Amino acid sequence: SQQGEEDPQALSIQEGENATMNCSYKTSINNLQWYRQNSGRGLVHLILIRSNEREKHSGRLRVTLDTSKKSSSLLITASRAADTASYFCATDGWSTGNQFYFGTGTSLTVIP
Amino acid sequence: EAQVTQNPRYLITVTGKKLTVTCSQNMNHEYMSWYRQDPGLGLRQIYYSMNVEVTDKGDVPEGYKVSRKEKRNFPLILESPSPNQTSLYFCASSLSVNSPLHFGNGTRLTVT
Repeated sequence: SQQGEEDPQALSIQEGENATMNCSYKTSINNLQWYRQNSGRGLVHLILIRSNEREKHSGRLRVTLDTSKKSSSLLITASRAADTASYFCATDGWSTGNQFYFGTGTSLTVIP
Repeated sequence: EAQVTQNPRYLITVTGKKLTVTCSQNMNHEYMSWYRQDPGLGLRQIYYSMNVEVTDKGDVPEGYKVSRKEKRNFPLILESPSPNQTSLYFCASSLSVNSPLHFGNGTRLTVT
């Protein structure tokens, strides 16, 4: 399987704390994308980081990418109860026969 | 509003009864794909399409068919559903193979 893996599988934090999720992947990439999924709903794209970028910010989100280690991390700062969701990384289809590959996801619970 | 529309949202059927899950996007996207999501397995790609009349198998195509007769529509067909196809299904589209995916709200299928 070319799926990536996310770590941790589940994370529970207090509101206001920071949440960090890690993703490892197996293929070369053109970009890596992070998505959020509220329970049972469709995934929503959060942020895209290109292979030549090392860090990217969007609001309270900070993504880093280390292509030498084939890993990425997503940091959510000052978390809110509304951030409770599952978070997935995905590699784009540029080098994988036009298929996107998703990680197994991190389930984040933010306790008010 | 830019969106991917899947129908139905919920579907309960019996083994062997052919069914179709519809997917339509209004963003003029070239790339469309189908995923199934199962606990502990993440999202796995079933089929994808790079453009009209061009479809390819993903990682788990057995038991499924697709067609892409028009750019906006990408239906998923289960000719003879079996209980192991009970899952949460998502349709997604994107401008290209390395652009972010836009997801539908999902179809929860139960095959008894």
